[in-house]
Amino acid sequence: EVQMLESGGGLVQPGGSLRLSCAASGFTFSEYGMNWVRQAPGKGLEWVSAISGGGDSAYYANSVRGRFTISRDNSKNTLYLQMNSLRAEDTAIYYCAKDWADGDHFDYWGHGTLVTVSS
Amino acid sequence: DIVMTQSPDSLAVSLGERATISCKSSQSVLYSSNNKNYLGWYQQKPGQPPKVLIYWASTRESGVPDRFSGSGSGTDFTLTISSLQAEDVAVYYCQQYYSTVYTFGQGTKLEIK
Repeated sequence: EVQMLESGGGLVQPGGSLRLSCAASGFTFSEYGMNWVRQAPGKGLEWVSAISGGGDSAYYANSVRGRFTISRDNSKNTLYLQMNSLRAEDTAIYYCAKDWADGDHFDYWGHGTLVTVSS
Repeated sequence: DIVMTQSPDSLAVSLGERATISCKSSQSVLYSSNNKNYLGWYQQKPGQPPKVLIYWASTRESGVPDRFSGSGSGTDFTLTISSLQAEDVAVYYCQQYYSTVYTFGQGTKLEIK
């Protein structure tokens, strides 16, 4: 059974940093692209970032490019999102989501971790 | 970036009736080399993560009831629920994965009339 468990969310001040993790199991992690998608309170879904199965290609939404960095450790079956220079508008539930195939739709999602940026 | 626009923003339909949601993309998401539309539909119920219903615009995900169907090509797409059930109350999103910057529609909230 595919499972993904996000962690690392919490309350952080504007300008601060946070690193999210997503621990995956139930599939061969290194063979699949992975993504981060966020959802601000009461709002819709916003794709944040993607990384290829081997970790050699990464993509970002314009809203986070230059501030967030996606990475993965295939030996630990774990996906990361390093978030720097956080802003109030980054407040959201952050979901990790697995590609059905590299560059394809998302077939499994974690339950998310809440990031709150506030002073 | 490709902009995805859904209509309507909200929809109330009687049980057993048909529900139709539209999604338009600002540019084509049809990949000519394989003739596939890189368009998916997701369902999100309150307090839950999204769940994929349809991918490649019209392929139903395994386990999804056959009352859900997707259609369209290029820039215009439709999600249809043929006979609305109470458990279908949710927010529905379209998503393009044609470009390396993926984008979602703003969502359509579906309720029972």
